[in-house]
Amino acid sequence: KAGVTQTPRYLIKTRGQQVTLSCSPISGHRSVSWYQQTPGQGLQFLFEYFSETQRNKGNFPGRFSGRQFSNSRSEMNVSTLELGDSALYLCASSLPLTGMNTEAFFGQGTRLTVV
Amino acid sequence: AQSVTQLDSQVPVFEEAPVELRCNYSSSVSVYLFWYVQYPNQGLQLLLKYLSGSTLVESINGFEAEFNKSQTSFHLRKPSVHISDTAEYFCAVSYNQGGKLIFGQGTELSVKP
Repeated sequence: KAGVTQTPRYLIKTRGQQVTLSCSPISGHRSVSWYQQTPGQGLQFLFEYFSETQRNKGNFPGRFSGRQFSNSRSEMNVSTLELGDSALYLCASSLPLTGMNTEAFFGQGTRLTVV
Repeated sequence: AQSVTQLDSQVPVFEEAPVELRCNYSSSVSVYLFWYVQYPNQGLQLLLKYLSGSTLVESINGFEAEFNKSQTSFHLRKPSVHISDTAEYFCAVSYNQGGKLIFGQGTELSVKP
């Protein structure tokens, strides 16, 4: 069974640009959550998508957005990039269609560097 | 606001010594508790979890954690650490099954020979 796949693994962007990150959850998982990890702020919840709807949102500005497709794959977008957006962005999948949900599974992350 | 506190940011320890990584959470409702481990340039891997039932949970590589509701704690312990246990450890809490996790700031465990 394939794990959570995030693409790309590494990305370098310039201030002011926008970026789209992709996450393919484990097959059969319905929920995708996104987290930002920085040395200063640690792991912070961005948002969660379930059945193509955002059902939870963290405390981030509107420049951070996301969506989920009918196959549960998710993308997150950051517009007007700032230097402070440099971080490791982690995606997690959970809530299988069958069986109990017991944990979130994380991808390897996308390392975004804004210069 | 709900929060998770990991009391030690760094824990240096010698190989084969015991270790305890401390975690406290703030909540007056039922929670699900997790410990994740992160190796350099990697994502998070689940180490162990408390969902319900026995308050002592164990992982396959010798770690254990005990859920203490009265003290709102979920400390992680290992009786004898190995060099390969060097990593960052994150305690997390969830208020529903699946979805949003609230993480502590992480504890960097450094095992020295």
